[in-house]
Amino acid sequence: QLQLQESGPGLVKPSETLSLTCTVSGGSISSSSYYWGWIRQPPGKGLEWIGSIYYSGSTYYNPSLKSRVTISVDTSKNQFSLKLSSVTAADTAVYYCARHVLVVALPDWFDPWGQGTLVTVSS
Amino acid sequence: EIVLTQSPGTLSLSPGERATLSCRASQSVSSSYLAWYQQKPGQAPRLLIYGASSRATGIPDRFSGSGSGTDFTLTISRLEPEDFAVYYCQQYGSSQGVYTFGQGTKLEIK
Repeated sequence: QLQLQESGPGLVKPSETLSLTCTVSGGSISSSSYYWGWIRQPPGKGLEWIGSIYYSGSTYYNPSLKSRVTISVDTSKNQFSLKLSSVTAADTAVYYCARHVLVVALPDWFDPWGQGTLVTVSS
Repeated sequence: EIVLTQSPGTLSLSPGERATLSCRASQSVSSSYLAWYQQKPGQAPRLLIYGASSRATGIPDRFSGSGSGTDFTLTISRLEPEDFAVYYCQQYGSSQGVYTFGQGTKLEIK
């Protein structure tokens, strides 16, 4: 059974860079059938897609965050990572990683999801 | 950017009743790229429906999805106690290359 687990600091200072890693177990991140995505959810609010990456390194980013986001993949470790620069309090959220299922060459739905990790931006 | 509007914001029903949740898109959406998720407090979202009407693995058949164009519906035929949660729809907008979610519908026990 595929499982995803987010890891990284739970507290980041304003203007610094948020860094998270998602470790995939029970399956290969190098599968040709999936992208791998990051989604976030501010406390008490809805879901926002951040971006997704293919094992080859091909990426899709949310245009609203693109200037601050870098997603990378390490196939040797079966991991993918998120970096979000110049964070503010508005970036405080639960960050989820998820498998992003490919349908006819485009990523489509997210399944399964990691349990999520809360990142707070505060000095 | 395509905006997904879910209604109602909160739906109060009793176990055994039928729930009908709406997701309306500001522009036409490909049915292939419309999904529904369930989220319980403190948990990650769980995929229920993909391709507007296909149930994900392990999802009970009381959950069904329908719709096309700009109007999509998630129906729960007979509510079980474990179905009370928040439900989100999600779509892919090819013109902007963005995956967006609706704001959610909270299904609460009446």
